[in-house]
Amino acid sequence: GQQLNQSPQSMFIQEGEDVSMNCTSSSIFNTWLWYKQDPGEGPVLLIALYKAGELTSNGRLTAQFGITRKDSFLNISASIPSDVGIYFCAGQPDPNTGNQFYFGTGTSLTVIP
Amino acid sequence: GAVVSQHPSWVICKSGTSVKIECRSLDFQATTMFWYRQFPKQSLMLMATSNEGSKATYEQGVEKDKFLINHASLTLSTLTVTSAHPEDSSFYICSASRGHSTYEQYFGPGTRLTVT
Repeated sequence: GQQLNQSPQSMFIQEGEDVSMNCTSSSIFNTWLWYKQDPGEGPVLLIALYKAGELTSNGRLTAQFGITRKDSFLNISASIPSDVGIYFCAGQPDPNTGNQFYFGTGTSLTVIP
Repeated sequence: GAVVSQHPSWVICKSGTSVKIECRSLDFQATTMFWYRQFPKQSLMLMATSNEGSKATYEQGVEKDKFLINHASLTLSTLTVTSAHPEDSSFYICSASRGHSTYEQYFGPGTRLTVT
């Protein structure tokens, strides 16, 4: 299956700092989702994006669907210790061919109190 | 809403035996369910997509005879790992999608399979 590239692979930041991560693909995606996964658990949906250029917020999280439809960005403002975890993007190529998603390589976030 | 459960949460089995993992959508009807596997510190790899009442669609490289998927109802899908081997040890996660008008997937908590 397809795989999306996320960067950075890992981040170590101080509590209170803002975080930015992105996800890129070589092909066009019609939908982007961002998830957070804690160790030993399933991913939890954070934000869903459906239109190119769309900017959506969920509390301190903001995500954008890139204009080219080949990338997406997630920002976390004023990070707190519970933001620690692995963040995955997921993209859907074409809903007409099935609604499966493909996941990014993940960004591991560590917040230092 | 949108709660997905998996059972068991972890299982240890001997090489050569088969293991069944259940995935249930608890508060919604899932027209589509997905099965993923995840190795430590790696991403989720889609194994197959299953729609209620029809055969699952497997991703390239996934052996359908080894990973049997059944989606018997709108709230239940099962994955059976047949003749398990140590290399099948992994974290298996299912997700469920509400319907055709939304593409959001909700994940179960995962099942840790260890084959000895």
